[in-house]
Amino acid sequence: DSGVTQTPKHLITATGQRVTLRCSPRSGDLSVYWYQQSLDQGLQFLIQYYNGEERAKGNILERFSAQQFPDLHSELNLSSLELGDSALYFCASSARQNSPLYEQYFGPGTRLTVT
Amino acid sequence: DQQVKQNSPSLSVQEGRISILNCDYTNSMFDYFLWYKKYPAEGPTFLISISSIKDKNEDGRFTVFLNKSAKHLSLHIVPSQPGDSAVYFCAAGYSIRGSARQLTFGSGTQLTVLP
Repeated sequence: DSGVTQTPKHLITATGQRVTLRCSPRSGDLSVYWYQQSLDQGLQFLIQYYNGEERAKGNILERFSAQQFPDLHSELNLSSLELGDSALYFCASSARQNSPLYEQYFGPGTRLTVT
Repeated sequence: DQQVKQNSPSLSVQEGRISILNCDYTNSMFDYFLWYKKYPAEGPTFLISISSIKDKNEDGRFTVFLNKSAKHLSLHIVPSQPGDSAVYFCAAGYSIRGSARQLTFGSGTQLTVLP
């Protein structure tokens, strides 16, 4: 158990809809990262937050947005969903004091299915 | 443009023998490299990492080698065990600014350890 929690575990929704994925980082971690893993693909970095502020942006679509709240949990909002958005979405955390910033610890993921 | 490549999608090894997983990268700005293991329906689990100032890091049965001139890293697992069967991802990162840490992942190698 990495200590990172994600909800929900599974999500099935229709095209055009909007969903929110939630992530709670490990206790003490200040950074949260979001990744997308489509079928047979590697992990694609979407976005990073550090202590509430956006720090790095990857291949995140304009239809997607994220935020990190004062209690450090994060939400990834996906809107105007398309069939191609079906994927596993992982959250990771890092930046506990005195630990390497690069070592990210992943949650179990949310499987999104768009029908 | 794949900055981190794992050219072998799969590898089969006999139990007790050495498993060698390879990874190549193109971005010379990468200064930190990691290996993750992933079981089905779980998030990636951090295994071992190496900084660009080193060429080898060892942790139990796992050793990571870094050849900066060839932009190549490898993960050695000795001896291999059936429980090691999983998808292995290599990842590379560099500091963008301050606490920003973006990891770029390879596409993964499915390791199967045969009893």
